[in-house]
Amino acid sequence: GNSVTQMEGPVTLSEEAFLTINCTYTATGYPSLFWYVQYPGEGLQLLLKATKADDKGSNKGFEATYRKETTSFHLEKGSVQVSDSAVYFCALSDLTNAGKSTFGDGTTLTVKP
Amino acid sequence: GAGVSQSPSNKVTEKGKDVELRCDPISGHTALYWYRQSLGQGLEFLIYFQGNSAPDKSGLPSDRFSAERTGGSVSTLTIQRTQQEDSAVYLCASSPTFSGGTYEQYFGPGTRLTVT
Repeated sequence: GNSVTQMEGPVTLSEEAFLTINCTYTATGYPSLFWYVQYPGEGLQLLLKATKADDKGSNKGFEATYRKETTSFHLEKGSVQVSDSAVYFCALSDLTNAGKSTFGDGTTLTVKP
Repeated sequence: GAGVSQSPSNKVTEKGKDVELRCDPISGHTALYWYRQSLGQGLEFLIYFQGNSAPDKSGLPSDRFSAERTGGSVSTLTIQRTQQEDSAVYLCASSPTFSGGTYEQYFGPGTRLTVT
């Protein structure tokens, strides 16, 4: 079956540091890939997505590139802010599995001033 | 337009009671998911409805949990004989019909269930 493996947290960084949160996946088909974010006290929301190999999703300074050869979709940001403190979830959806989504366990990021 | 709504937002119940949690998805979305999120934990998949297909119930933790989706729209998650370990935030998400290769999900605010 499909699975998503995320870098374990928690991750603590200083403001303006470079962020990488690793995500790798296993899928039977050709999935679409997503990063969702959950800010403290709020619901989950889509951060960015990519639908095919070599696509780069980007939003709010975050980027992730769909790497089919390494089955990865690592999240990066060049300079984090305190307001980026949140839980980040990597996910995939797979058309061959009726579009059902699979989520990683989430990575908690804390950015200190 | 309106997003995914869930009710109630908070529910406190006594151990052994039954509870019903409601989800109103975005109009026209064919897929609907229920997840459970315990404090500090990730998302635990519970059940998935896609159009008129039989639901994927593979994530339901026990036979005390059930869900239905009426008319392809509103869904109700029922927990019978609640236990303290059922305390969590229950999240609902909906997703539009396949279009352009994505099934991105839109999440509701969740129902926080506390079993005392």
